[in-house]
Amino acid sequence: AQSVTQLDSQVPVFEEAPVELRCNYSSSVSVYLFWYVQYPNQGLQLLLKYLSGSTLVKGINGFEAEFNKSQTSFHLRKPSVHISDTAEYFCAVVGSNQGGKLIFGQGTELSVKP
Amino acid sequence: GAVVSQHPSRVICKSGTSVKIECRSLDFQATTMFWYRQFPKQSLMLMATSNEGSKATYEQGVEKDKFLINHASLTLSTLTVTSAHPEDSSFYICSAYGDTEAFFGQGTRLTVV
Repeated sequence: AQSVTQLDSQVPVFEEAPVELRCNYSSSVSVYLFWYVQYPNQGLQLLLKYLSGSTLVKGINGFEAEFNKSQTSFHLRKPSVHISDTAEYFCAVVGSNQGGKLIFGQGTELSVKP
Repeated sequence: GAVVSQHPSRVICKSGTSVKIECRSLDFQATTMFWYRQFPKQSLMLMATSNEGSKATYEQGVEKDKFLINHASLTLSTLTVTSAHPEDSSFYICSAYGDTEAFFGQGTRLTVV
């Protein structure tokens, strides 16, 4: 079975500052890792995903994440945030043999202030 | 990317009635779809796995008689909340997994009054 822990429930940050949203996972099998963003009363939008290969993954809207197998982490980063990045962010994991059964972290509310 | 359409986006129903939510994969065939429930300020909790042409697989603690799932075709899965009560009020989201990515519907906000 897989599990995901997002270490921060809320992250307040000023506009144009860098941000890191932390995610740790556990799994007994190889995994695929994802970051999604959710705006109020909407579904989820994929920011980026790690399947294999390069551990640094670049996504949409200037976000990137680094897969660290030894630390079982997949932290999301952005060098300079905008007001429009204010949203809920979810880290998710699926075992490579689990056929799409995503397990989500608790979510991190990113609040960007002017 | 692939599109998953979920309908309705919002529904208000009276206690004791049933509500059906549809999830359609518009441009690919989804043999498996997933239904999630999300409470305010909380994460997505997997409710069940919907398998085309067979019975759904429910997660522990999810009442299969209350949350009826039907996956009659490769492009449509439905979730019916039967005899809804106020505690069933929530945000329900479906997803379809294609190759190596999950595509999500827009979600349905259910309010039972």
